[in-house]
Amino acid sequence: RKEVEQDPGPFNVPEGATVAFNCTYSNSASQSFFWYRQDCRKEPKLLMSVYSSGNEDGRFTAQLNRASQYISLLIRDSKLSDSATYLCVVTSGTYKYIFGTGTRLKVLA
Amino acid sequence: NAGVTQTPKFQVLKTGQSMTLQCAQDMNHEYMSWYRQDPGMGLRLIHYSVGAGITDQGEVPNGYNVSRSTTEDFPLRLLSAAPSQTSVYFCASRDNTGYYEQYFGPGTRLTVT
Repeated sequence: RKEVEQDPGPFNVPEGATVAFNCTYSNSASQSFFWYRQDCRKEPKLLMSVYSSGNEDGRFTAQLNRASQYISLLIRDSKLSDSATYLCVVTSGTYKYIFGTGTRLKVLA
Repeated sequence: NAGVTQTPKFQVLKTGQSMTLQCAQDMNHEYMSWYRQDPGMGLRLIHYSVGAGITDQGEVPNGYNVSRSTTEDFPLRLLSAAPSQTSVYFCASRDNTGYYEQYFGPGTRLTVT
């Protein structure tokens, strides 16, 4: 089993739709969780850190479920500019970060 | 702040050649790291450093060396390039406090023929 698993997609959604991604992780001792966005041939950019209580930033909401070992990302009112690959990242110990392979999102006009 | 910078952007090497990928950050971050990204795989950690003079191996360290003589710079050396090292290489640094978010440089696309 991979340490961090994501559905690769692609998720094709119309503009204005709500879309949700899940990511499961295997290390129950993981402490920090993140969602990154990566555009084609670009570097990953931090979208959100995921806190235990959940957090929201505009149209984006992230949740952590430690009991079931998954994190989620909800995007409301999708924009064309949201088209990208979304990477789930989980820490392993203090210094190592484990990346999922990413979920591709394409928002259609 | 320039953030995390990497040079070169692109590089083509022949098998057996050596080279150094440069990485620098101006945010006074203690922790820096190197990753490689290959199609169908997540970013994989090569080496990391928790401060000047301190480095450690990540998941895929073979064929790569690092050193950290200053807080700002963290170069990655390929000792004898192999086609299997064809990849995109990203350098990152992270906040010293808080939730330890990482910030990435723009990457180096390396092809080994």
